[in-house]
Amino acid sequence: AQSVAQPEDQVNVAEGNPLTVKCTYSVSGNPYLFWYVQYPNRGLQFLLKYITGDNLVKGSYGFEAEFNKSQTSFHLKKPSALVSDSALYFCAVSAYGNNRLAFGKGNQVVVIP
Amino acid sequence: ETGVTQTPRHLVMGMTNKKSLKCEQHLGHNAMYWYKQSAKKPLELMFVYSLEERVENNSVPSRFSPECPNSSHLFLHLHTLQPEDSALYLCASSQEIRSYGYTFGSGTRLTVV
Repeated sequence: AQSVAQPEDQVNVAEGNPLTVKCTYSVSGNPYLFWYVQYPNRGLQFLLKYITGDNLVKGSYGFEAEFNKSQTSFHLKKPSALVSDSALYFCAVSAYGNNRLAFGKGNQVVVIP
Repeated sequence: ETGVTQTPRHLVMGMTNKKSLKCEQHLGHNAMYWYKQSAKKPLELMFVYSLEERVENNSVPSRFSPECPNSSHLFLHLHTLQPEDSALYLCASSQEIRSYGYTFGSGTRLTVV
């Protein structure tokens, strides 16, 4: 069974500072990794994914994530946070041939003006 | 709107009521999903449908009864719920069951009183 750990409940960052949201995963076989964002009263929106290839993945709204196989991590990053980035961020993992996408509990990001 | 529409947006029901949640997508997707989102907990996958057939039921209590009459519509019938069932219920769809570009609806906020 696959699982995701998002160790922090909330991440506070000043506007303009770098933003990092941590994610570690557990899966049998090669992982497929995803980040989604949820704004208030909305569903989850896809940000980016890692399937294969370059370990650094670039996604929507200036976000990127780095796949680290040895550390089983897929941290989400943004060089300069905006107030509008304040939202709930979910990491998810699956394995090839498995129809289950396992989500973490989410991290609330608060960007302080 | 993302292409996945959920109604109603909010629902308050008593423990003896019967109600239904509706999900509709016109993206031409063949797989649909129900997720339960509770605060500070991982998203819980409840049901998976592929081409109108249920392919996964994750030990969900029988007071939740899904129905998929066609590939565009998914229902979740609710009966004699408990207060701990209060949550945000999210519907998602994807092209196929193993394609991971999930599109989520905005969810139904359910409160059981």
